Amino acid sequence: QQQVKQSPQSLIVQKGGISIINCAYENTAFDYFPWYQQFPGKGPALLIAIRPDVSEKKEGRFTISFNKSAKQFSLHIMDSQPGDSATYFCAASMSNTGNQFYFGTGTSLTVIP
Amino acid sequence: NAGVTQTPKFQVLKTGQSMTLQCAQDMNHNSMYWYRQDPGMGLRLIYYSASEGTTDKGEVPNGYNVSRLNKREFSLRLESAAPSQTSVYFCASSDPGQFNYGYTFGSGTRLTVV
Repeated sequence: QQQVKQSPQSLIVQKGGISIINCAYENTAFDYFPWYQQFPGKGPALLIAIRPDVSEKKEGRFTISFNKSAKQFSLHIMDSQPGDSATYFCAASMSNTGNQFYFGTGTSLTVIP
Repeated sequence: NAGVTQTPKFQVLKTGQSMTLQCAQDMNHNSMYWYRQDPGMGLRLIYYSASEGTTDKGEVPNGYNVSRLNKREFSLRLESAAPSQTSVYFCASSDPGQFNYGYTFGSGTRLTVV
């Protein structure tokens, strides 16, 4: 059973546009929601993360929006660039369970010039 | 550079062969993890070690064993490889004591079982 559901599976965006990736979860015990970025041939790297006590977190062109009541969170990439082309994974964890992360199935983002 | 080092990077095995994937981290992290990544499946946890001396099963442990050799090293063993174990394997570590904690991943081992 997929603990974190991610959509879309793939996304093509024009340079300068906004990329939006969505994730949903069921387990209300989750209390930490990171996003990872993975380039081909590399391991995933932590991009940005949020805790449920805030509704939004912004770091540069990357923003996480969090809706606790809907149990959804999303990644917004503003002014998308070709260098942002990568696979993005959302994840969720519970602080008191050995820090195991549950990952979404990933979104392959392509930013075309 | 500090991080997570995995060896080997590539491996081809015949069905029934055994092998051990090695992982070492130099960030003094307590927790270490093994994941496999398959197309359309995301990252699935095989085993993890919350601290030195402990290991626990994850979502897909069948066919694998692990050893937490010391705080730095966490190995994954395939005793009798099967084609279904063809995948990319990632080791990761984390320090849950940090407020904005997250995994640091290695660069992966691409395993093909024929």
